[in-house]
Amino acid sequence: NAGVMQNPRHLVRRRGQEARLRCSPMKGHSHVYWYRQLPEEGLKFMVYLQKENIIDESGMPKERFSAEFPKEGPSILRIQQVVRGDSAAYFCASSPTPFGETQYFGPGTRLLVL
Amino acid sequence: QQPVQSPQAVILREGEDAVINCSSSKALYSVHWYRQKHGEAPVFLMILLKGGEQKGHEKISASFNEKKQQSSLYLTASQLSYSGTYFCGTENSGGSNYKLTFGKGTLLTVNP
Repeated sequence: NAGVMQNPRHLVRRRGQEARLRCSPMKGHSHVYWYRQLPEEGLKFMVYLQKENIIDESGMPKERFSAEFPKEGPSILRIQQVVRGDSAAYFCASSPTPFGETQYFGPGTRLLVL
Repeated sequence: QQPVQSPQAVILREGEDAVINCSSSKALYSVHWYRQKHGEAPVFLMILLKGGEQKGHEKISASFNEKKQQSSLYLTASQLSYSGTYFCGTENSGGSNYKLTFGKGTLLTVNP
């Protein structure tokens, strides 16, 4: 059973470009969570999605950031007009149900904004 | 509300024991423990749901106190492979469960 998959693993963008991060949850998991980790810090919740629905985006900046989890295909975290402060590791996690369940993390996408 | 982890860092010799604490000012729904090695994804260790619960393997175990405000992770007879940063992630009672709020982490270094 394949784990959570994320791509790309590393992404370099210049300021003002768009970054698109993809996450495929574990088989049978319909709940996806995105977290951001700055260097030497813990993980910060960004957004929680189920298929075709955003359940909680309270941790996501209101501007430039968006997320989706379509009926078919991976979940996508999109960052428009990236700035240097967006440089971080972005982790996706998935679980079969949302409450009191283990969240399994993917390998992350390390975004570097030049 | 972010849980408070202590200590921030600990250095052990192989075979020594360590305890990592995770505290909250409010009762929690659950506590999740993860270990992350540098540049890698967090790896799930265990989840605690019930007050007074203790679980784990022989050498890595955890407890959740009766009030469900504190959890401790116990590492006994440490091995070199235990090195990494340990995070507790908490789900709050009531409100929005499912959203994990992580502590700042405890950096564990095990030396030969």
